[in-house]
Amino acid sequence: TQLLEQSPQFLSIQEGENLTVYCNSSSVFSSLQWYRQEPGEGPVLLVTVVTGGEVKKLKRLTFQFGDARKDSSLHITAAQPGDTGLYLCAGATGGYNKLIFGAGTRLAVHP
Amino acid sequence: NAGVMQNPRHLVRRRGQEARLRCSPMKGHSHVYWYRQLPEEGLKFMVYLQKENIIDESGMPKERFSAEFPKEGPSILRIQQVVRGDSAAYFCASSPTRLVQETQYFGPGTRLLVL
Repeated sequence: TQLLEQSPQFLSIQEGENLTVYCNSSSVFSSLQWYRQEPGEGPVLLVTVVTGGEVKKLKRLTFQFGDARKDSSLHITAAQPGDTGLYLCAGATGGYNKLIFGAGTRLAVHP
Repeated sequence: NAGVMQNPRHLVRRRGQEARLRCSPMKGHSHVYWYRQLPEEGLKFMVYLQKENIIDESGMPKERFSAEFPKEGPSILRIQQVVRGDSAAYFCASSPTRLVQETQYFGPGTRLLVL
């Protein structure tokens, strides 16, 4: 059974701080996706990384895919209250786009 | 282009009743995935369907659960004889191809509560 371990589970920080969320597995994934989910809504895709070692930036968010395609990280610089939410990583496996999700990181950014 | 539509958004059933959850994929998308999310947990894959075909149902409980994606109309996730443990949020996602780098677009989910 493929698993994605996401850490930390909860994160409470002050506005302006930096943070990193980690997603680790012993399995290789074809691609890894990061989603953000608001209460009562479905996940919304932030980024997809496909190549080992790939780094993608989305404004203050930096995403990295490990060289071996087994792990990924999400780094947020100068967090803002609007970043508050549930962040989910998901790995694609099985030769098609079947996603294995991590348990999520619930981020709270306080003004 | 409307997004993925799911209905109902909320569904309350008593133990033993049937629950039918509908998912209309985005226009032009022929690949549908169903996921279940228990409170305070991540999403768990249930089933992957292409038009008229079930490709992978490895995440579906063996009994009481079934899914279909007919040639015309929405994809349906059917739960027979619901039990309290079926209470969860059920999400469907669609994509235009099965490629691993393809974006999956998620619907808003159906929140099922079994009394």
